[in-house]
Amino acid sequence: DTEVTQTPKHLVMGMTNKKSLKCEQHMGHRAMYWYKQKAKKPPELMFVYSYEKLSINESVPSRFSPECPNSSLLNLHLHALQPEDSALYLCASSPIGLAGELFFGEGSRLTVL
Amino acid sequence: AQSVTQLGSHVSVSEGALVLLRCNYSSSVPPYLFWYVQYPNQGLQLLLKYTSAATLVKGINGFEAEFKKSETSFHLTKPSAHMSDAAEYFCAVAGNQFYFGTGTSLTVIP
Repeated sequence: DTEVTQTPKHLVMGMTNKKSLKCEQHMGHRAMYWYKQKAKKPPELMFVYSYEKLSINESVPSRFSPECPNSSLLNLHLHALQPEDSALYLCASSPIGLAGELFFGEGSRLTVL
Repeated sequence: AQSVTQLGSHVSVSEGALVLLRCNYSSSVPPYLFWYVQYPNQGLQLLLKYTSAATLVKGINGFEAEFKKSETSFHLTKPSAHMSDAAEYFCAVAGNQFYFGTGTSLTVIP
């Protein structure tokens, strides 16, 4: 199984809503990532979890709250978002170590109204 | 510190023509380099990676890239473009995190 599965694929939410994005992998990877991607731009790193602990937070606003319940799951909790937060949110996983490539999910397309 | 620079944000080629997408890297240590492809409304898919073994790396879908230390380059090539190659291509270098280039949008003209 070499897949990273993200749900939902599409999400529309108002600025006062609370929603969550979910990510799952069963490749035994111990590093998991959240990226934000705007159209025609490279992915921007948001968070990195290593061994289920938050290791990198790229100064992301607190309205984005990550959670790693176990080694296979990664969540991104969303609250009080702004329209400029509309983007494709990509989850990725990788083995620990420099030579390990990132395995990406298909992404969750978020629209904030 | 590591970084990559992709020259040309848009490249157009005719179907059947050579594809050449340019990537130059900056790294203070031997780099691990990657090319990813992204089709519309999808995630990124690994095309190939260089991890200090052979300098000519073959990937999926007929793509290959050559690591040239003297030129600090890792350009992506394909001998004959196909319509299905139209996509966004990202070069990346791995350090304490992945550093992506700004991307090159490939258009294939029938």
